[in-house]
Amino acid sequence: QKEVEQDPGPLSVPEGAIVSLNCTYSNSAFQYFMWYRQYSRKGPELLMYTYSSGNKEDGRFTAQVDKSSKYISLFIRDSQPSDSATYLCAGGSTLGRLYFGRGTQLTVWP
Amino acid sequence: DAGVIQSPRHEVTEMGQEVTLRCKPISGHDYLFWYRQTMMRGLELLIYFNNNVPIDDSGMPEDRFSAKMPNASFSTLKIQPSEPRDSAVYFCASTPENPGPDTQYFGPGTRLTVL
Repeated sequence: QKEVEQDPGPLSVPEGAIVSLNCTYSNSAFQYFMWYRQYSRKGPELLMYTYSSGNKEDGRFTAQVDKSSKYISLFIRDSQPSDSATYLCAGGSTLGRLYFGRGTQLTVWP
Repeated sequence: DAGVIQSPRHEVTEMGQEVTLRCKPISGHDYLFWYRQTMMRGLELLIYFNNNVPIDDSGMPEDRFSAKMPNASFSTLKIQPSEPRDSAVYFCASTPENPGPDTQYFGPGTRLTVL
């Protein structure tokens, strides 16, 4: 079993839709959780991170972690065509190593 | 800051040839990671270094793969001999000594095609 599981999609939604991206993890040692965004033919870039259970909001993006169920979510409100990318969830600890999901490919069409 | 630098950006080679990928981490970063990304398996960690010393190479697929970090500003990932199934995008990333969730930066990647 991979440390982090993520449905690769693809996911296609119209502009303005609310997008929900989800992952599960198995490693209880994870201390923080990240979402990376990767545009086509680019390296992953950090979008958001959170340490604890609960929600963290940044503009149109909300990251949610439920440690009791080992579930990670990213919500995108008012999605835009520029949000079209692959979204990778990851878990990590102070040791520095990150464990990534496979990524979910998102397309937002105008 | 120039960020993590990788070269070449694209590499096309024939099966059996030696391939060398290069990475320059961000100055002052003490950890360096090599990842491989494919559609089927996603982003996989191959090996990582701390202060130029390999810490975990359990992700290296087989003996054909080797990685070195001769100094704090340079690392190589070598595949010899290369095979078509090695075709993937290889990323290098770096992070400082006390890594946190917002400190791992990725390079642009090297797209490798083995014919």
